[in-house]
Amino acid sequence: EVQLVESGGGLVQPGGSLRLSCAASGFTFRSFWMSWVRQAPGKGLEWVAKIKNDGSDKYYVDSVKGRFTISRDNAENSVYLQMNSLTAEDTAIYYCVKYGGTYFDYWGQGALVTVSS
Amino acid sequence: QSALTQPASVSGSPGQSITISCTGTSSDVGGYNSVSWYQQHPGKAPRLMIYDVNIRPSGVSNHFSASKSGNTASLTISGLQAEDEADYYCCSYSASSAYLFGTGTKVTVL
Repeated sequence: EVQLVESGGGLVQPGGSLRLSCAASGFTFRSFWMSWVRQAPGKGLEWVAKIKNDGSDKYYVDSVKGRFTISRDNAENSVYLQMNSLTAEDTAIYYCVKYGGTYFDYWGQGALVTVSS
Repeated sequence: QSALTQPASVSGSPGQSITISCTGTSSDVGGYNSVSWYQQHPGKAPRLMIYDVNIRPSGVSNHFSASKSGNTASLTISGLQAEDEADYYCCSYSASSAYLFGTGTKVTVL
């Protein structure tokens, strides 16, 4: 059974940083791209970033470029999202998602990130 | 990178069929056969319902179907059931290796 478990969410002040982690199990992690998708409270879904299975390619939505960094550790079956220079607009539930090639087939339960003073 | 356009809400009675549209541009929906659909119940993570325009993953009921014409994709729920009441989001691959989600549609079973 595929499981994706996020951790690291919480309350952070504007301009601050936070690192999300996602522990994956139930599939051959090193063979798949991974992604992060976020959802602001009461709003829709927004794709944030994706990373190739070997970590060599990374892509981001324009609004987080230069501030967020996606990375992975295939030995630990984990993917990460380092978030810097956070603003209130980054407040959201962040989902760790397995990328099936052209779609997002398995989702974690999400980690809430709140940016507020 | 603007969100794909979906109706805010669609409703139907049990047993009826409803269709949700998802309109983009030739740079996303119209340019790639990489449209997917997600169901999200309140407080839950999204669930993949359709991928590559019209393919149902294992475990998804066959009363969900989908298609695409030009820059618009559609999700049809036939024989509407109470448990189908949820939010639905389309998603498309876009230029620059990005993904765009739709604005979301709340489906209400009357």
